[in-house]
Amino acid sequence: QSVLTQPPSISAAPGQKVTMSCFGSSSNIGDNYVSWYQQLPGTAPRLLIFDTNRRASGIPDRFSASKTGTSVTLQITGLQTGDEADYYCGAWDTSLNAEVFGGGIKLTVL
Amino acid sequence: EVQLVESGGGLVQPGGSLRLSCAASGFTFSDYSMDWVRQAPGKGLEWVGRSRNKANNYMTEYAASVKGRFIIFRDDSGNSLSLQMNNLKTEDTAVYYCTCGFFFHWGQGSLVTVSS
Repeated sequence: QSVLTQPPSISAAPGQKVTMSCFGSSSNIGDNYVSWYQQLPGTAPRLLIFDTNRRASGIPDRFSASKTGTSVTLQITGLQTGDEADYYCGAWDTSLNAEVFGGGIKLTVL
Repeated sequence: EVQLVESGGGLVQPGGSLRLSCAASGFTFSDYSMDWVRQAPGKGLEWVGRSRNKANNYMTEYAASVKGRFIIFRDDSGNSLSLQMNNLKTEDTAVYYCTCGFFFHWGQGSLVTVSS
């Protein structure tokens, strides 16, 4: 059971927009910066978003993120088949004194 | 270009030990916090532990699931990070990733299989 909660899957058509959520608590998302990671099949994760809403180097502006209270969202516009991947949220948890991740959401681009 | 290359994975029996290494290049290793993250087969990401930089007194922190069994070492002169894993359990089976700069960069991972 992950400390951060993500729906297990989401799907959308090419060219469409998708919004995926990550739910936490006051000790993690509510109190600290959040990151998002993309893991393409068979590869290592890579950083997409850091400091809650800042894109990592080389990440297109189709990817954006925001926070409201103890939840965060990652939005991808202009979906491409190459965006099919698992997406993870992560944050430091002040109570656990540990980095915590969501269980990951599998994005399917139909 | 930042490169992180893990090595040392393999098959080990329950209760055994294994040491993973991470060779770093392309950045000033001593300036950065380094983390280990693992991923069990078909599962999500799990943080293992962190070695903070010299400015933070090389403080180490560990996940509850590995505390007391795993130790992180860093060698700033050799630009390397190690993960000493003792008293391994079957649930430690995973791909272990070395990351730097609070997960800005990731290695390709090293598979550790704990099985009899």
